[in-house]
Amino acid sequence: AQKVTQAQTEISVVEKEDVTLDCVYETRDTTYYLFWYKQPPSGELVFLIRRNSFDEQNEISGRYSWNFQKSTSSFNFTITASQVVDSAVYFCARIQGAQKLVFGQGTRLTINP
Amino acid sequence: DTGVSQDPRHKITKRGQNVTFRCDPISEHNRLYWYRQTLGQGPEFLTYFQNEAQLEKSRLLSDRFSAERPKGSFSTLEIQRTEQGDSAMYLCASSPRGGAPHGAFFGQGTRLTVV
Repeated sequence: AQKVTQAQTEISVVEKEDVTLDCVYETRDTTYYLFWYKQPPSGELVFLIRRNSFDEQNEISGRYSWNFQKSTSSFNFTITASQVVDSAVYFCARIQGAQKLVFGQGTRLTINP
Repeated sequence: DTGVSQDPRHKITKRGQNVTFRCDPISEHNRLYWYRQTLGQGPEFLTYFQNEAQLEKSRLLSDRFSAERPKGSFSTLEIQRTEQGDSAMYLCASSPRGGAPHGAFFGQGTRLTVV
């Protein structure tokens, strides 16, 4: 199986610190899609970003940024100046086949005031 | 609210009973997915529909599980003769034409507890 690995099970930081969540993926495809989702305590998976394999530009959206590196099969997510509301479980995922999302095990992020 | 809607949000049932969950996708989305998430794990794919056609089923979907999407709108997931191992969060997602590569949008899930 072509896995998605999130090696960090839990991260705890103090508010306003920057934090990076790691994601490493396996794929034999030349074209593929990667995603990040946020799952707050309410349980809903909130879509954060989609990236296709042709676009290696890093992306920034407010305090969030993503670093996609095909050479290392990584798609890392950084939160700058973290806030308590960022506390959640974050999942990295990729498409397998045409439609199936394969998720990593998630990283539980706790931002302490 | 125009997001994916799931009902019920929580279900507690006795082992051996049948349960049915409902998912209403975003209205213009023609693809609908079911995932299962156990504690401390990422969601795992169960099945997906394009309109009313069920196009893929995971090996996780045993004979006790059945999903339908009549008329290509809402979907139901039924579990017969529930077992304690079925306790999980069941998540529904939908995607626009073109499917998951264009983004899959999830509902809040149905948390099932089998006692």
